[in-house]
Amino acid sequence: SQTIHQWPATLVQPVGSPLSLECTVEGTSNPNLYWYRQAAGRGLQLLFYSVGIGQISSEVPQNLSASRPQDRQFILSSKKLLLSDSGFYLCAWKSFVETPNSPLHFGNGTRLTVT
Amino acid sequence: AQSVTQPDIHITVSEGASLELRCNYSYGATPYLFWYVQSPGQGLQLLLKYFSGDTLVQGIKGFEAEFKRSQSSFNLRKPSVHWSDAAEYFCAVGANYGGATNKLIFGTGTLLAVQP
Repeated sequence: SQTIHQWPATLVQPVGSPLSLECTVEGTSNPNLYWYRQAAGRGLQLLFYSVGIGQISSEVPQNLSASRPQDRQFILSSKKLLLSDSGFYLCAWKSFVETPNSPLHFGNGTRLTVT
Repeated sequence: AQSVTQPDIHITVSEGASLELRCNYSYGATPYLFWYVQSPGQGLQLLLKYFSGDTLVQGIKGFEAEFKRSQSSFNLRKPSVHWSDAAEYFCAVGANYGGATNKLIFGTGTLLAVQP
């Protein structure tokens, strides 16, 4: 069966420090991968998605970047964190071979607090 | 552009009472619609989905949702709420990209509290 791992679960970082959040998927090949951010009262905002290795689409201009160095690995990064980067970050995957209406499968999220 | 509106930010119901969470969407074609539930500090779990056919769809944990095209709605219902249903609920619409639905657009969520 397919599983998704996201780490760390919680992270406290000072302003100006770098960031690296990692997400890996097991049990499937060539998944579509997504990074969402959840801020209180604002729902889920799609940050990045990827349909293949090295293919990254950015949804909103921001201080963050994403990379997909391997088929089932998706990394969210920042060179210098801002206070506004605080939030709950969720990684998700979707099988590209399923019908277009197939759902997203989410990891357990990373709570990032920038101090 | 596709969008989802969940007009109720916070709802409180008594245990055993019925529940309806509202969701309205904006989409130019036949929508793919989803309801997810999120427990505190956790990821999102799929409750149910709609893409065609019967407009009343059944999901897990006793939930159901009805698609009403004329009202652009996809409301979530449960006849009798349990204390364990307390969580945040998100409605989402699938957005087409390149002929395939690659993205989900989420509403802002409804936080459900259950009173004993």
